[in-house]
Amino acid sequence: GDSVTQMEGPVTLSEEAFLTINCTYTATGYPSLFWYVQYPGEGLQLLLKATKADDKGSNKGFEATYRKETTSFHLEKGSVQVSDSAVYFCALSGGDSNYQLIWGAGTKLIIKP
Amino acid sequence: NAGVMQNPRHLVRRRGQEARLRCSPMKGHSHVYWYRQLPEEGLKFMVYLQKENIIDESGMPKERFSAEFPKEGPSILRIQQVVRGDSAAYFCASSPIQGSGANVLTFGAGSRLTVL
Repeated sequence: GDSVTQMEGPVTLSEEAFLTINCTYTATGYPSLFWYVQYPGEGLQLLLKATKADDKGSNKGFEATYRKETTSFHLEKGSVQVSDSAVYFCALSGGDSNYQLIWGAGTKLIIKP
Repeated sequence: NAGVMQNPRHLVRRRGQEARLRCSPMKGHSHVYWYRQLPEEGLKFMVYLQKENIIDESGMPKERFSAEFPKEGPSILRIQQVVRGDSAAYFCASSPIQGSGANVLTFGAGSRLTVL
């Protein structure tokens, strides 16, 4: 069945470092891909999405490109801030039941000043 | 404009007790979805409800688990006779539109259940 694999955390970086959080997927058909973020004590928030191959989603300085050839949707940011510390989830959906998202396990990101 | 409110945020139960988790959807949202995140795993869909109706419960365990969304009040996820394997984070989401795509779901902060 469909699945999402994310790099394990925690990922610890210094402020202004370059960030990559890897996400690869297995799916039949043509899923949409998502990154969600959960800041401490808050709900999951949609960070960005891409609905077809080669689409690039972007928001708040984060970017991810839907790569069909490598079945990947890696999250990147050029210069992280302490406020980016959170748990990041990669997810995919497809078909009629889009609420039945397939989720990665989440990657905890810690940014040190 | 409050978002999706879940309570309690943390719940500790002993084996065999009952756990009740509540979810108040965002104002104006009439569709509620429950997900479970077991340790070291991604979220898994459990159930989708509208007011007084269960639309899709394909992700619910067959025994001990039930969910409701009454005409008045929050949605409730009920787990009877809890076991250690029920320890997880339970997330609720709501949407204004039936069968919504992921980009219009609003999530709560989750309820963490620990079974001793």
